[in-house]
Amino acid sequence: AQSVTQLDSQVPVFEEAPVELRCNYSSSVSVYLFWYVQYPNQGLQLLLKYLSGSTLVESINGFEAEFNKSQTSFHLRKPSVHISDTAEYFCAVSDPGNTPLVFGKGTRLSVIA
Amino acid sequence: DTAVSQTPKYLVTQMGNDKSIKCEQNLGHDTMYWYKQDSKKFLKIMFSYNNKELIINETVPNRFSPKSPDKAHLNLHINSLELGDSAVYFCASSQDPVPGDYGYTFGSGTRLTVV
Repeated sequence: AQSVTQLDSQVPVFEEAPVELRCNYSSSVSVYLFWYVQYPNQGLQLLLKYLSGSTLVESINGFEAEFNKSQTSFHLRKPSVHISDTAEYFCAVSDPGNTPLVFGKGTRLSVIA
Repeated sequence: DTAVSQTPKYLVTQMGNDKSIKCEQNLGHDTMYWYKQDSKKFLKIMFSYNNKELIINETVPNRFSPKSPDKAHLNLHINSLELGDSAVYFCASSQDPVPGDYGYTFGSGTRLTVV
């Protein structure tokens, strides 16, 4: 079964600084990878995904993630964070063989003014 | 229009009671899910239905019983509630069981507190 490890439970960062949220998954022949964001008291929203093709994927609000097969990683980055990026971020994995999304334990990103 | 809606948003109840949480999606998706998010924010799959048929039933106490009257609805009934059932329960849907292009669409959650 797939598993996801988010190494950092909390990441504090100053506004306009860069950030990287780490995600590693258990190895499989092929995977689908996702990042979801959960703002306080809200549900999860899809931020970006990797299904195939280009290993660098981007979201509309400046986040990007790179699929690295050799390191089984899918780290999330943003070059300059805003206060409004404060949220819980979840990495999730699924394999194409009809399995549900498996989530990591989440990383709490706190942006400090 | 809300894509995946859950009711109620908050539920406070006493131990031993029976309660239900309802979920409806208007996306025309075939597959629906229940996830439990514990106090440490960990999300764990509980059930999955595809076209009203149960396809995933993780290790969940049999006090939890999902019901899907049609593919747009997936309700969760919980008998004999216990303190450890306190959590946020999320309903989600997807076009088919493989997450694919759009992943899952989540509802806003039901915060269940058992006292």
